[in-house]
Amino acid sequence: AQKITQTQPGMFVQEKEAVTLDCTYDTSDQSYGLFWYKQPSSGEMIFLIYQGSYDEQNATEGRYSLNFQKARKSANLVISASQLGDSAMYFCAMPRGGTGRRALTFGSGTRLQVQP
Amino acid sequence: ETGVTQTPRHLVMGMTNKKSLKCEQHLGHNAMYWYKQSAKKPLELMFVYSLEERVENNSVPSRFSPECPNSSHLFLHLHTLQPEDSALYLCASSRLTESSYNEQFFGPGTRLTVL
Repeated sequence: AQKITQTQPGMFVQEKEAVTLDCTYDTSDQSYGLFWYKQPSSGEMIFLIYQGSYDEQNATEGRYSLNFQKARKSANLVISASQLGDSAMYFCAMPRGGTGRRALTFGSGTRLQVQP
Repeated sequence: ETGVTQTPRHLVMGMTNKKSLKCEQHLGHNAMYWYKQSAKKPLELMFVYSLEERVENNSVPSRFSPECPNSSHLFLHLHTLQPEDSALYLCASSRLTESSYNEQFFGPGTRLTVL
């Protein structure tokens, strides 16, 4: 079964600085994907970025990038030039596979607070 | 209207009440999901519907009953709930493919409080 571990319950970052949110995973699948979602206080989960296990380059989406280290089974999210609106919960996730019809397994999340 | 919608956004109910949560997706997806998010716990998958087939997490109590009348609508029927069922209930949808890319689109959630 897939397992996602996020070891940082909370993080602080100064506005305009970069921050790295950690995510490690465990899976026996050869082909898999990693997702990052953002959850503001409103509750809605917002998709940020995706990394496929066979993608040769680290994924980037605007200010978001993934530091994907397959051998270490880590997929850390890097947010550059932090903004006050980045304050939220951030979740790393991967498809469950099998009979779960690819529902997602989520980590416990990291609460990011951006300070002015 | 686009995306995934959920109603109601907030619900307060007593333990003897019966209520239903509704989810609707306008994205042409073929799979829908119910997740439960309790305080200080990771999101937990409750149910999956894909191609009219239901797959569920065996730890979900029978007081939660899903219904998926078609690929666009998903309900979660609630009865005789317990206070520990208070949580944010999130609906999501996706288009299943053979690849591992399965981006799920989430609704805004229903904040449920059981008194």
